[in-house]
Amino acid sequence: QKEVEQNSGPLSVPEGAIASLNCTYSDRGSQSFFWYRQYSGKSPELIMFIYSNGDKEDGRFTAQLNKASQYVSLLIRDSQPSDSATYLCAVNKGNYGQNFVFGPGTRLSVLP
Amino acid sequence: GAGVSQSPRYKVAKRGQDVALRCDPISGHVSLFWYQQALGQGPEFLTYFQNEAQLDKSGLPSDRFFAERPEGSVSTLKIQRTQQEDSAVYLCASSFGADNQPQHFGDGTRLSIL
Repeated sequence: QKEVEQNSGPLSVPEGAIASLNCTYSDRGSQSFFWYRQYSGKSPELIMFIYSNGDKEDGRFTAQLNKASQYVSLLIRDSQPSDSATYLCAVNKGNYGQNFVFGPGTRLSVLP
Repeated sequence: GAGVSQSPRYKVAKRGQDVALRCDPISGHVSLFWYQQALGQGPEFLTYFQNEAQLDKSGLPSDRFFAERPEGSVSTLKIQRTQQEDSAVYLCASSFGADNQPQHFGDGTRLSIL
């Protein structure tokens, strides 16, 4: 079992719809969770981070964390063609220091 | 600088040559990370510095890989006797603090070994 798992996609949604991206992780001691967006040929760009169970909203983006289920998701409302990218889930396994593990990423395609 | 700066952006080397990749983190960022990203995969952790101390090098794939950050700012990732499987994008990231801080990435160096 990989430490951080994501569906590779592609996930296709029509413009204006809600895109739902999911991520599961294996280490129950994981402390913090990050979503990055990566356009083809570009570096990962931080979208959101979440530390506590529940929802965290920032503009069109909502991160959801359920530590009991070891599950974190990213919702993108009113999806735009410019949201088409690969979305990487990253999990920091340690409370001290940095031990980031990235998932393989989910490719999102927003169709005009 | 405003962001993490990496150089060169592209590097082509012949198998067996040594290469050095440079990372200049965001000013004031304590933590610095190196990742290797293969095509279609997520970044894979290589090594982590807190200031000048290399606290974790568990991700370095072999003893041909070496990283340093002697003054706690700029870091260099060196790969000796390169092999074709070393071809990848090498990403550098930095974060402000030591614990649970978001990491900010540079544009990466795309390394091709012929």
